[in-house]
Amino acid sequence: LAKTTQPISMDSYEGQEVNITCSHNNIATNDYITWYQQFPSQGPRFIIQGYKTKVTNEVASLFIPADRKSSTLSLPRVSLSDTAVYYCLVGAYGGSQGNLIFGKGTKLSVKP
Amino acid sequence: DSGVTQTPKHLITATGQRVTLRCSPRSGDLSVYWYQQSLDQGLQFLIQYYNGEERAKGNILERFSAQQFPDLHSELNLSSLELGDSALYFCASSVDGGQAFFGQGTRLTVV
Repeated sequence: LAKTTQPISMDSYEGQEVNITCSHNNIATNDYITWYQQFPSQGPRFIIQGYKTKVTNEVASLFIPADRKSSTLSLPRVSLSDTAVYYCLVGAYGGSQGNLIFGKGTKLSVKP
Repeated sequence: DSGVTQTPKHLITATGQRVTLRCSPRSGDLSVYWYQQSLDQGLQFLIQYYNGEERAKGNILERFSAQQFPDLHSELNLSSLELGDSALYFCASSVDGGQAFFGQGTRLTVV
């Protein structure tokens, strides 16, 4: 199971782009990278998942370099409601797999 | 609404007691995961079931046990409760372990 390393916390202001980087040096060939968002007292919510290069959806982009040893979650023009903890997970999926092991995450604080 | 239902939402019980938390996964999801989250702490993975079989085990105490039934709902049993077991307990479900959907959690308070 690949270990992930993220910054413990980040601060930003409304309207800015926020990039949260996750290191996963021991990522395996069949591992995917998934990001979740968690608000206080709520269950985590899936944000985005990718394998390589770039993935974009309506809320975020995920950049993965060719060596896949790191990934960057990009949140465009954050608002106060984006204040949350963001988790980076790495694991293989399919069938009975799916190692949903959460690290400590990155606590993002968005200020007005 | 994630489609994952956890009951009860809140539970207050005394030390030494036993409780059962219930999780109904999204329709069609075969995997169920259980997590414990204490105040200001991270999500501690407890156990995973896949189609009725235990698939992975995390930091689950011997006083805790779980099972997944043929209809795929799952129950987490916590016994000989201690004050330190007070936490939010989350259940998540997934069809293939990729994108998981979490319930709203059960807040357990042991007094």
